[in-house]
Amino acid sequence: DVKVTQSSRYLVKRTGEKVFLECVQDMDHENMFWYRQDPGLGLRLIYFSYDVKMKEKGDIPEGYSVSREKKERFSLILESASTNQTSMYLCASSFLLQANYGYTFGSGTRLTVV
Amino acid sequence: KQEVTQIPAALSVPEGENLVLNCSFTDSAIYNLQWFRQDPGKGLTSLLLIQSSQREQTSGRLNASLDKSSGRSTLYIAASQPGDSATYLCAASPYTGGFKTIFGAGTRLFVKA
Repeated sequence: DVKVTQSSRYLVKRTGEKVFLECVQDMDHENMFWYRQDPGLGLRLIYFSYDVKMKEKGDIPEGYSVSREKKERFSLILESASTNQTSMYLCASSFLLQANYGYTFGSGTRLTVV
Repeated sequence: KQEVTQIPAALSVPEGENLVLNCSFTDSAIYNLQWFRQDPGKGLTSLLLIQSSQREQTSGRLNASLDKSSGRSTLYIAASQPGDSATYLCAASPYTGGFKTIFGAGTRLFVKA
């Protein structure tokens, strides 16, 4: 089974903290994505990466950064957490040419910033 | 710009009923269309993926169809069960690459026992 693993299901952090969300996939996928999901706003793409050390901004990159040092791992970094970053964060991966296989998602990380 | 719409936003049906969830998209130049299920507080689980050259895919009680010319996809669930209660999302990937996959807001389904 394809597995996309997010390191934490629930996180509570304080305003101003630096937060790391980790995502690991075991299917040798080239593409990896970070989304956030909020009620009424759906899924919004934060960043994606199509290769090691490559990254591209999505629709809402402000306040976030990412790191992809190895093909299987994609990290989302909140440089200085704020309460408006309280959300469900979803990691996904796919093959570069993903027409036949689509996306595989992790189980999500519910982040609360207090 | 691609837009993906799912109607209705919520649906409640009695157990055993056959039902159809709708997904419409504005740009027919899609690579594939994928249906997902999401349980409360969980990630998305892929149900079916239809490539642009296909018209439908089936898995168990689920059947998804794709009509690119009309910009529509449907997810048919046969003999619904309470365990089918979840939010169902569709996602359209454009020819320009999977980076700009657009997700619908989802249909929240409740199957009453």
